[in-house]
Amino acid sequence: ETGVTQTPRHLVMGMTNKKSLKCEQHLGHNAMYWYKQSAKKPLELMFVYNFKEQTENNSVPSRFSPECPNSSHLFLHLHTLQPEDSALYLCASSQDLGGPNNEQFFGPGTRLTVL
Amino acid sequence: GEDVEQSLFLSVREGDSSVINCTYTDSSSTYLYWYKQEPGAGLQLLTYIFSNMDMKQDQRLTVLLNKKDKHLSLRIADTQTGDSAIYFCAESSFNDMRFGAGTRLTVKP
Repeated sequence: ETGVTQTPRHLVMGMTNKKSLKCEQHLGHNAMYWYKQSAKKPLELMFVYNFKEQTENNSVPSRFSPECPNSSHLFLHLHTLQPEDSALYLCASSQDLGGPNNEQFFGPGTRLTVL
Repeated sequence: GEDVEQSLFLSVREGDSSVINCTYTDSSSTYLYWYKQEPGAGLQLLTYIFSNMDMKQDQRLTVLLNKKDKHLSLRIADTQTGDSAIYFCAESSFNDMRFGAGTRLTVKP
């Protein structure tokens, strides 16, 4: 596989469930990102990882818990979510965190519905 | 904070040119980007321009940058129905990247 992949593509969960979103990049990039895209707001940056270390947590509620075991994989663990958390969750990666190689490549997203 | 702004909607007829505009506030921006998002998909990088350039052309796409006014535009020539999508403007400085809210382009036959 090439590029940035995300699984699952669609997820429906209850408010008491625990689930995880997975992102994998095959580009040899060092930085990975989680974004939330909902109908009512612009694209929102949630978390940034650079060389497996979290460099940004954009005031995200603790019911979202990221994990980056290596530079190629990024997870978003979900527990006790609310219906307003229903959105498209996009993963992206870039060669570096800043500078001329900041161009981000996006995965197809996971469409999450919280009942 | 720094902002990126775009109009939310644009409707054109097939075969016409589309122009999507974007303004940004960060004077230290180094790169500016246009991403396309089709229904049910992630964002796809269309093109980007370095901040010391004022124009970049790639087939039907023309990017114009007015750095003084912090204004970026994307022109799509001979717009087709397959160009219907949401177009995001983004800018990056050394440590950050910011996206606009996206412009939904509708192409009518």
